[in-house]
Amino acid sequence: DAGVIQSPRHEVTEMGQEVTLRCKPISGHNSLFWYRQTMMRGLELLIYFNNNVPIDDSGMPEDRFSAKMPNASFSTLKIQPSEPRDSAVYFCASSNRRNTGELFFGEGSRLTVL
Amino acid sequence: QKEVEQDPGPLSVPEGAIVSLNCTYSNSAFQYFMWYRQYSRKGPELLMYTYSSGNKEDGRFTAQVDKSSKYISLFIRDSQPSDSATYLCAMKVQGAQKLVFGQGTRLTINP
Repeated sequence: DAGVIQSPRHEVTEMGQEVTLRCKPISGHNSLFWYRQTMMRGLELLIYFNNNVPIDDSGMPEDRFSAKMPNASFSTLKIQPSEPRDSAVYFCASSNRRNTGELFFGEGSRLTVL
Repeated sequence: QKEVEQDPGPLSVPEGAIVSLNCTYSNSAFQYFMWYRQYSRKGPELLMYTYSSGNKEDGRFTAQVDKSSKYISLFIRDSQPSDSATYLCAMKVQGAQKLVFGQGTRLTINP
């Protein structure tokens, strides 16, 4: 079975550019999560969706960040304009286990903003 | 103060040693406790899951939860080089979906 698929795996961009990260969750999973991982702050939850509806976006750092989930099989995380402090690994995770909270993570998108 | 504290290490031990990894937390409402393993350049994957207090064993891995002390542990027996990874604790409140992660401990098992 295919796991969570993220693209691109690596992105290098210049400050001020728009960045779009993409995620395809595991089929049948109705919850989708976006996390950011840095050495300093660890794994931080940015936003999560249930049944394509955003439930909690309190972790989104600024208005420069936005996320959408137009259907059950696709989500995007957009940063516009990007800044060097946005450099991190961004993980998408999906789940169909609301009680236990078990998450299935993708391999991440490593973003470097110069 | 962070909700979940975890020593980032790094921790380096010889093959065959018993490894102890720990997290402390401040939110007494946490009921679900998990350990995720993350290999280099990969996403985290669930290793162990425990509800409320007590021990859980799975092969060479044992997870312990002490809610009175707000302290959880992961023990690895007969450690192998393939266990070299970053181990992250995670926990959540019953009814909530948000997982709160520790910083992660980088572990290296030396052959």
